[in-house]
Amino acid sequence: DTAVSQTPKYLVTQMGNDKSIKCEQNLGHDTMYWYKQDSKKFLKIMFSYNNKELIINETVPNRFSPKSPDKAHLNLHINSLELGDSAVYFCASSQDLTRTYEQYFGPGTRLTVT
Amino acid sequence: QQQVKQSPQSLIVQKGGISIINCAYENTAFDYFPWYQQFPGKGPALLIAIRPDVSEKKEGRFTISFNKSAKQFSLHIMDSQPGDSATYFCAASNYQLIWGAGTKLIIKP
Repeated sequence: DTAVSQTPKYLVTQMGNDKSIKCEQNLGHDTMYWYKQDSKKFLKIMFSYNNKELIINETVPNRFSPKSPDKAHLNLHINSLELGDSAVYFCASSQDLTRTYEQYFGPGTRLTVT
Repeated sequence: QQQVKQSPQSLIVQKGGISIINCAYENTAFDYFPWYQQFPGKGPALLIAIRPDVSEKKEGRFTISFNKSAKQFSLHIMDSQPGDSATYFCAASNYQLIWGAGTKLIIKP
């Protein structure tokens, strides 16, 4: 059983397009996250949701919009894609906000914008 | 500003040697200091974590040493193996994880 899953695994698209990445966790966790990992491997937190409520919204262009339909799902929609959006996007979850240190990551979605 | 500084950026160690990665933090309001391991094409995975009221924690070949007064902590990998080759991230947690920049570790056979 996959604990945190993401779809798609690879996404190749052209500048200006809109795309979505889906994330699901079957761990029963309350808190979910989106991260961006650039080519230098640096991990940047983008958003955090706790019980479907937005907790963290880092300095991210408003072209990025997360949506949490329920506690087990956190999707990421990106409008008007730019070359600089090319990266690997990771979804993660933790039991709750008291166990932020223990996060479970999905396999990542490699986004390539051409 | 909350920051975690990690060094070195890359590290090559002979099989059987000790790998040491260091991190330093600035803010004192952290409740845990975890280390994550990431293999190519995979997401990071929690390796080991320590609370700030503990000076050392060991799990198998992996040990975290924590120096609260110096605001530093380090990961030691004893008897390093080629399978340990990965990128390692230190982090500090409060309501979110503050990440180090990562260390690419290569263990030479």
